[in-house]
Amino acid sequence: EVQLVESGGGLIQPGGSLRLSCAASGFTVSNNYMSWVRQAPGKGLEWVSVIYSGGTTYYADSVKGRFTISRDSSKNTVYLQMNSLRAEDTAVYYCARNLGDGVWGQGTTVTVSS
Amino acid sequence: DIVMTQTPLSLSVTPGQPASISCKSSQSLLHSSGKTYLYWYLQKPGQPPQLLIYEVSNRFSGVPDRFSGSGSGTDFTLKISRVEAEDVGVYYCMQSIQLPPYTFGQGTKLEIK
Repeated sequence: EVQLVESGGGLIQPGGSLRLSCAASGFTVSNNYMSWVRQAPGKGLEWVSVIYSGGTTYYADSVKGRFTISRDSSKNTVYLQMNSLRAEDTAVYYCARNLGDGVWGQGTTVTVSS
Repeated sequence: DIVMTQTPLSLSVTPGQPASISCKSSQSLLHSSGKTYLYWYLQKPGQPPQLLIYEVSNRFSGVPDRFSGSGSGTDFTLKISRVEAEDVGVYYCMQSIQLPPYTFGQGTKLEIK
C-alpha cells in the first residue's frame, strides 16, 4: 500500500528547531518529487518545499534560508529541517508525493509559541 | 509568482443541486508539452486534501463522476452535477507549471443547506 506518515511535530519556542520526517511505503521517494505543504490554523494550503528525484530543491520565500528539505534513500524518508522557527510557522505540515497524484500524509502539527 | 483566484469563497447548496467553482490563474497554465497543470483538491474537515481532478479535467481514481473539471489557459471550473452531503469541505485549485512556488487558490468552502 502506498502511504506517507509524517512525524516530528510538537510545541517549540520561537527561535527553536524541529526536524519533520515523512516515511514512505509502497514506493521509492528518490524516484519521485516530494513536497511539504503546510496549513496554518483556519487558513488555506501553502506549499513549503520540494525535492526532485535528481536532488534539486526549492523553497517558498517564507522559509528560504531557515528550512532544509532532504531525503534518506536507505530509510525511504523525506525530512524537513526547520530552524529559527517563528510563530507564523505554526501549522499542520503535510508531505505529498508529486502533488498531482493524490498521495498525501495525514500531517503533523507544529506549534511555535513561548 | 502565479496567483490563483477562486470564486466564490463560500457556497451553500441544497442536496441534489449543482455547484460550480471558478479558478483563474494570473498566467497561462498550458505547458509546451501540451499539458495544463491545474489540479482540484477537496479538504474535508480534519483530513488532508484529497485529489479530485488532475490536469484540468481528469478525475482521479475513485472520484464520483458527478465531479467534472473544465477550462483552459487561465480560466478553469470545477462542477458538481448533484451535490451530496459528503461533498462538504473546502475546495482548492492548484498550479504546478511554475516552480517555485506551487500555488493554491484561497479555497472555496462548500456547505449543505
